[in-house]
Amino acid sequence: AQKVTQAQTEISVVEKEDVTLDCVYETRDTTYYLFWYKQPPSGELVFLIRRNSFDEQNEISGRYSWNFQKSTSSFNFTITASQVVDSAVYFCALSFPSGGSYIPTFGRGTSLIVHP
Amino acid sequence: KAGVTQTPRYLIKTRGQQVTLSCSPISGHRSVSWYQQTPGQGLQFLFEYFSETQRNKGNFPGRFSGRQFSNSRSEMNVSTLELGDSALYLCASRASYEQYFGPGTRLTVT
Repeated sequence: AQKVTQAQTEISVVEKEDVTLDCVYETRDTTYYLFWYKQPPSGELVFLIRRNSFDEQNEISGRYSWNFQKSTSSFNFTITASQVVDSAVYFCALSFPSGGSYIPTFGRGTSLIVHP
Repeated sequence: KAGVTQTPRYLIKTRGQQVTLSCSPISGHRSVSWYQQTPGQGLQFLFEYFSETQRNKGNFPGRFSGRQFSNSRSEMNVSTLELGDSALYLCASRASYEQYFGPGTRLTVT
């Protein structure tokens, strides 16, 4: 069975602070995919990044960076110099190939509140 | 490319009624999935359609059904609505590994 744990329910920071959102996953599959999605108040989940299990390279995209560590089954997300527009619920997800499907299992989400 | 669109965006129904939600995927995407999001249960997978066939189904009662048309557009239907069906219903389409979500339909059952 697959499981994604986002232990932080809510994080509150002041603008320009750095913040890390934690994600720990469980799977017995050797081939799997990890994702981060952002859900602003409007409700739409916005895809941020995908990582496959064979690629442990960290990634940086502007103020966003992701740290994937198979040894600890973690895929953490850091926002540098946070801004008010970063306020949203962030979801980590895990999927594996199954007959052409890649149905993700989502964590419960971390609500990030950035205060001006 | 236009994103995933869902109609209607908001819906209020009475217990016992039925409802149909519509989803238009990103052009070229043949896989469409539906999710229910509630504060208590989080994001739960309902079903996935690919080329007009249901490929996967989540753990929901038979009151929840769906279909996909030849143009990949999809509809989901909930019959005999219950108060607990109040939720944000999200549709997602996929061409590769990641899913792209629509804005959702917020259903309120009174």
